This record gives sequence, structure tokens and C-alpha cells, in this order.
Amino acid sequence: ETGVTQTPRHLVMGMTNKKSLKCEQHLGHNAMYWYKQSAKKPLELMFVYNFKEQTENNSVPSRFSPECPNSSHLFLHLHTLQPEDSALYLCASSQAESSGGADEQFFGPGTRLTVL
Amino acid sequence: GQNIDQPTEMTATEGAIVQINCTYQTSGFNGLFWYQQHAGEAPTFLSYNVLDGLEEKGRFSSFLSRSKGYSYLLLKELQMKDSASYLCAVMDSNYQLIWGAGTKLIIKP
Repeated sequence: ETGVTQTPRHLVMGMTNKKSLKCEQHLGHNAMYWYKQSAKKPLELMFVYNFKEQTENNSVPSRFSPECPNSSHLFLHLHTLQPEDSALYLCASSQAESSGGADEQFFGPGTRLTVL
Repeated sequence: GQNIDQPTEMTATEGAIVQINCTYQTSGFNGLFWYQQHAGEAPTFLSYNVLDGLEEKGRFSSFLSRSKGYSYLLLKELQMKDSASYLCAVMDSNYQLIWGAGTKLIIKP
């Protein structure tokens, strides 16, 4: 596997279900990101992990819970979602510098989530 | 607030040239990125500008004017495979990317 992989590619779930999205990067990067992409809207940054520590949480509802067990893996745990949470969820990675800068982000193919 | 503006949709002809504009207002500036995203696929990196001027990379060029808060992506010798969405993003003072909604480019034969 190369680059950034995400599983599953498609997910349909009811509002009472619990599911998890998985992301793995094979690029040796130290920063990972979760984004939400809705039709005709800008990418919304949800969470950032730098050096496995969460550094950003952009007012995301608690029904989304991230987990970063190591610098290569990132999970997004989902529970009691709402229909408006239906979107494409993209994972990305980059090489973050200790000074705060970062190189371009490499994206996974995304998980298309539908909440019924 | 922070804002990135780009046209929603553009149409161009195969073999022609198209310019996609992006204007931005952000808290701080640490560079501007252009990404290409084909339908159902991941965004892929095209270019990065941090200094004023034109960066050329094959058929694609990207221009930046920091004083005007303006960038454009220029695509030459358009091919059908260039049909995609083009995303403009600015890295702010916290090194976070602020994204535009994307420009859907339709190429006609």
C-alpha cells in the first residue's frame, strides 16, 4: 500500500449505530487530519493530530470522536449521528515541522457516509 | 472572518486555456495551495505559492499577489481529463489550511 488509505470507502448507518472510519498513511508523516466535505461547500477541518497529539478540534460535535494510536493510523469513531452528517470524510497527512509549518497535505480517497 | 472565494463552475473547450481565480482574506498568510479533485477521488496537490509571481509546472501555472489577496490557476492545452474540481486553500498564521468551495471545471470537446 502506498500513500493514504481509508476504509471503508462507503458506509450507510442508522442514527443509533456505532461505526468507525480508519485511515492509514504510508508516507512517514507526523501529522494527520480529518476533514468533512459536503457538496458545494469548502472542506471543513475537523481534527488535527501533530506528533500523535490532538492540536485542533474545530467545534466538532461529540458524536465524532477521533483516535490516533500512532503516527500512521487515525480513526474517527461515530455514534448517534444525524442525517446532516452525511458527507465525504477525508483523511490527510503531512510532514509538520516543530516550528509550526507544514508541507502539502496528501489525501486519502475518503469514506462516503450516509446516515439514514 | 476568514474567507476564500472562487467561481463555482467554469466551462472551457478542449485545447484552449482557462484561468481559475481565487481571492482570499485570512488571518495571516503562510502560502497558497491549489489542489485538483476528480469526482469521487481524493484531492491531489498541484501547486504552492508563498512569494508573489508565477510558478510554472508543465501545462499548469499558478500566480500569487499577496498585496491583492489574489491567486489564479492557469491551465493550458486543456484535455478532457482536466475536467475536475480545483480547490484553492490558504495556510493561515496557525499553519491551518482554509479552503475555498472549489471550482468545477467542465471541458467540452
